[in-house]
Amino acid sequence: QSVLTQPPSVSGAPGQRVTISCTGSSSNLGAHYDVHWYQQLPGRAPKFLIYGNSNRPSGVPDRFSGSKSGTSASLAITGLQAEDEADYYCQSYDSSLDGYVFGTGTKVTVL
Amino acid sequence: EVQLVESGGGLVQPGGSLRLSCAASGFTFSSSWMSWVRQAPGKGLEWVANIKQDGIETYYVDSVRGRFAISRDNAKNSLYLQMDSLRVEDTAVYYCAREHYGGWDYWGQGTLVTVSS
Repeated sequence: QSVLTQPPSVSGAPGQRVTISCTGSSSNLGAHYDVHWYQQLPGRAPKFLIYGNSNRPSGVPDRFSGSKSGTSASLAITGLQAEDEADYYCQSYDSSLDGYVFGTGTKVTVL
Repeated sequence: EVQLVESGGGLVQPGGSLRLSCAASGFTFSSSWMSWVRQAPGKGLEWVANIKQDGIETYYVDSVRGRFAISRDNAKNSLYLQMDSLRVEDTAVYYCAREHYGGWDYWGQGTLVTVSS
């Protein structure tokens, strides 16, 4: 059940900055549950990219940053690189569904 | 190095059963919540179930509750997913993942389950 809405696709030229939005509701992001982000390269398992709204796990470049405000969150990629071409998912917890939920996913294309 | 290796996927007819396994290594398995997350072909990610460290507390997404059962064996560093009454819509790659702050920091490579007649 995708209760977190993301744009289907975003694109940018190498070196540019792109942002991906994640819109939720009062039962997930608005209820102060943290948002996490994942990068999924084609044919690969998801990779933990941002946790706790804005924290980067060890090894994740600082080109990736996250933020959250109210019922929305966003992932920013600065200095876009060809290797960033992938699908990106936000994820949180939903109290109405009593379970974890993912965003609809966004495909990032590097022009 | 943390490793999660799933096995047990395959082709099964609607109404059939399958048991997935996940072998964990490189971390203290008995100290971690664990989850199964799935991804239907060409679709997004869906959390399926999770289990507390002691194996007593378990939670499921509505679509699988009553049909799937998550379990673990801390002595064998293994996680399981028993899937019964399988439906065509359960077709997906199933990932085993370690929970971290409400998300998942380590994932296996996934195992494909195909439900088809």
